[in-house]
Amino acid sequence: DTAVSQTPKYLVTQMGNDKSIKCEQNLGHDTMYWYKQDSKKFLKIMFSYNNKELIINETVPNRFSPKSPDKAHLNLHINSLELGDSAVYFCASSQGYGGPYNEQFFGPGTRLTVL
Amino acid sequence: GDSVTQMEGPVTLSEEAFLTINCTYTATGYPSLFWYVQYPGEGLQLLLKATKADDKGSNKGFEATYRKETTSFHLEKGSVQVSDSAVYFCALSDLGTGGFKTIFGAGTRLFVKA
Repeated sequence: DTAVSQTPKYLVTQMGNDKSIKCEQNLGHDTMYWYKQDSKKFLKIMFSYNNKELIINETVPNRFSPKSPDKAHLNLHINSLELGDSAVYFCASSQGYGGPYNEQFFGPGTRLTVL
Repeated sequence: GDSVTQMEGPVTLSEEAFLTINCTYTATGYPSLFWYVQYPGEGLQLLLKATKADDKGSNKGFEATYRKETTSFHLEKGSVQVSDSAVYFCALSDLGTGGFKTIFGAGTRLFVKA
């Protein structure tokens, strides 16, 4: 009965490969997010979807492409992986979009290591 | 643009000490304010929130008051435990250009010694 789940938890891969991270929420929320957390714990928003529609697309290399097949899922595909992509990626969801409804529920994270 | 500034860590305290983690913000609108906690190896989880001026959020012995006049939302706890060791993030949600966004502070790591 996990609220926000991500797979895989760990991902180790070579430079240049393409990989995907999957995220699912069973909270009935309308909005989902992807964040990148670096080794100093700094958290950066990458994308946000509201009702399957992209609403936030921060300055992220276009090698990163989110896909939301339905409201409960938001996947992240990364092409041509680089060393600097190594980080922990968090998926999150919120009931709505903005203000007090923006209380976010986070998944456990996916630790990506690019060799 | 909106921003959140937290005191730099790490903060190291002995068990039962008083905790304050400072957080100040700048915002163009009237933001909602949040504190999240991240335990080792886990995702962030909401600790407390406040949605308007003078609101006090509280949870698990932690408190923070929304101070509009000083644009602050400092986190306090009267007596910390070893189990409170974690990274604490202050955050705001505000309407800016491009819609609502949540802005996180850089995080403050807390170590509590037995």
